[in-house]
Amino acid sequence: EVQLVESGGGLVEPGGSLRLSCAASGFTVNNAWMHWVRQAPGKGLEWVGRIKRESNGGTTDYAAPVKDRFTISRDDSRNTVFLQMTSLETDDTAVYYCTTDEWCANGVCHPVVSWGQGTLVTVSS
Amino acid sequence: QSALTQPPSASGSPGQSVTISCTGTSSDVGAYIYVSWYRQHPGKAPRLMIYEVNKRPSGVPDRFSGSKSGNTASLTVSGLQAEDEADYYCFSYAGSSHIFGTGTKVTVL
Repeated sequence: EVQLVESGGGLVEPGGSLRLSCAASGFTVNNAWMHWVRQAPGKGLEWVGRIKRESNGGTTDYAAPVKDRFTISRDDSRNTVFLQMTSLETDDTAVYYCTTDEWCANGVCHPVVSWGQGTLVTVSS
Repeated sequence: QSALTQPPSASGSPGQSVTISCTGTSSDVGAYIYVSWYRQHPGKAPRLMIYEVNKRPSGVPDRFSGSKSGNTASLTVSGLQAEDEADYYCFSYAGSSHIFGTGTKVTVL
């Protein structure tokens, strides 16, 4: 069964840093485009950034509001994706989810229906 | 990059159909097949309902269907049920980025 479990959220002061983790099971994160998505209280979904699967170059891209402050990385040995957040601002307060639409192996792709439960990041003094 | 445009709300009676539009540009929705739709119930995590414009994952009822014409993608929910009352978001690849829609609240009357 495919499962994604986010962790690492908490309360941090403006200007601070935090690292979120996304542990995957049931598939290999190296075979998927892994996204971080956030949802501020009472607001819609916002794409934060993505790391491509290794076969597509493993490159990262970020949304404009977080570019140069957030970094996505992957540890294949732990089957985990990370979101390193620095210079945090109050507008970064949100539930953060990691997700992927599908993972592919041996030329076959499998959709991933469920997201993790998310982890809450609160930026406040 | 601005969010994809969705109607704020849509509604229908049980058994009826509702269609939600998702309008982007020739650089996102119009350019790629990578358009997805998610359903989110209050207080819950989103769930993938449609991917690559019109593909339905196993376990998603065939009442859900997706399509695309030009820069606009659409999600149709046929045979509305009480459990379909939720927020729906579209999501598109845009080359070096990805972008969500503004979200649509579906109400089952």
